[in-house]
Amino acid sequence: EPEVTQTPSHQVTQMGQEVILRCVPISNHLYFYWYRQILGQKVEFLVSFYNNEISEKSEIFDDQFSVERPDGSNFTLKIRSTKLEDSAMYFCASPGVTTYGYTFGSGTRLTVV
Amino acid sequence: AQSVTQLDSQVPVFEEAPVELRCNYSSSVSVYLFWYVQYPNQGLQLLLKYLSGSTLVKSINGFEAEFNKSQTSFHLRKPSVHISDTAEYFCAVIFSNDYKLSFGAGTTVTVRA
Repeated sequence: EPEVTQTPSHQVTQMGQEVILRCVPISNHLYFYWYRQILGQKVEFLVSFYNNEISEKSEIFDDQFSVERPDGSNFTLKIRSTKLEDSAMYFCASPGVTTYGYTFGSGTRLTVV
Repeated sequence: AQSVTQLDSQVPVFEEAPVELRCNYSSSVSVYLFWYVQYPNQGLQLLLKYLSGSTLVKSINGFEAEFNKSQTSFHLRKPSVHISDTAEYFCAVIFSNDYKLSFGAGTTVTVRA
């Protein structure tokens, strides 16, 4: 079963600091997504990435957020200056090309203090 | 407007009793439907999906869901639950004019002995 790998599993950071969340999606998948889940709330779409470009982003994904593909296999989600309300679980996902069954990573729990 | 609604935020149930989790959607386009499960402190796992064909879909661990187009529903059922089924369950939809997953608010299932 192909896996999506996320690191770190848990990160604590001080407000105003930059954080980088990493993800290794399923190889050969061109689409790539980041989602966020604030504790006790629904899973929310942040951004989709296709062929090395952002294809769609939500209103949550403001200028403090960026997505990059620094090399052929890794994706990163960067939050430039974290706020308390950025505390959440962040998931990356690789959608299947023909099955539409998204495979999610195990998530990174970000705690901003 | 396109939306996904899970009508029950929490469902307590006794072991070996049946459970039903309700999911309704609103859409003017065709949809693909999913149920994801999130066990405590873990990521999102695909439980089952409806893409086309038979409206009744089943998972390997005894869950089933039925797509009802006229009622725009995709309710999840299990005839006899186990303690290990304690988790958060998310209904999710891909609208055919928007290929990202949209999640419902989630239903917390707590199975008691």
